[in-house]
Amino acid sequence: GAVVSQHPSWVICKSGTSVKIECRSLDFQATTMFWYRQFPKQSLMLMATSNEGSKATYEQGVEKDKFLINHASLTLSTLTVTSAHPEDSSFYICSAPSTSGDYNEQFFGPGTRLTVL
Amino acid sequence: GQNIDQPTEMTATEGAIVQINCTYQTSGFNGLFWYQQHAGEAPTFLSYNVLDGLEEKGRFSSFLSRSKGYSYLLLKELQMKDSASYLCAVLDSNYQLIWGAGTKLIIKP
Repeated sequence: GAVVSQHPSWVICKSGTSVKIECRSLDFQATTMFWYRQFPKQSLMLMATSNEGSKATYEQGVEKDKFLINHASLTLSTLTVTSAHPEDSSFYICSAPSTSGDYNEQFFGPGTRLTVL
Repeated sequence: GQNIDQPTEMTATEGAIVQINCTYQTSGFNGLFWYQQHAGEAPTFLSYNVLDGLEEKGRFSSFLSRSKGYSYLLLKELQMKDSASYLCAVLDSNYQLIWGAGTKLIIKP
């Protein structure tokens, strides 16, 4: 199946700093990638849809200026958490759909655990 | 609004069978997914149903009834490694995934 990677897998940073998370589709092209956030014991919450070559689409309640998304190529999307605060500590997961099969399957990256001190 | 319901937690015994139910109310339907998620890891794909009926894949089977807005995931011959959260997700009319809160499955020896 298709492979999606994320980097870093975990990061600890001080409050007020910015953190960049990369999401790569390794063996397929993804014009669209999704960014999710998952708090402990909760389900995935879609933050935004990243579109290659155009602006990302953010879900209601997600601050565009705080969570900057750049989808510069067909295999790479980045999420930058600007001026991170402890409440931003969460598990961030990206996914990319692949239509190479019979259906629109989502392939998930391994996730990035962000801890803001 | 869109809503997906599944039990919060279930407990089963190693070697037994367990059925995890999922009911949904969404704006349109383009398929239902089941994912397995171990603690601290990203979800992994288990199954996809778009037509009514049962899809069997090894120890795991998934059933769908579109008229009832209902699906279940059936796990047979339970193993300790099956302890995980199981997420039900529906692809709506905009091809956006709507996620259930997940069912935490605890397997006891």
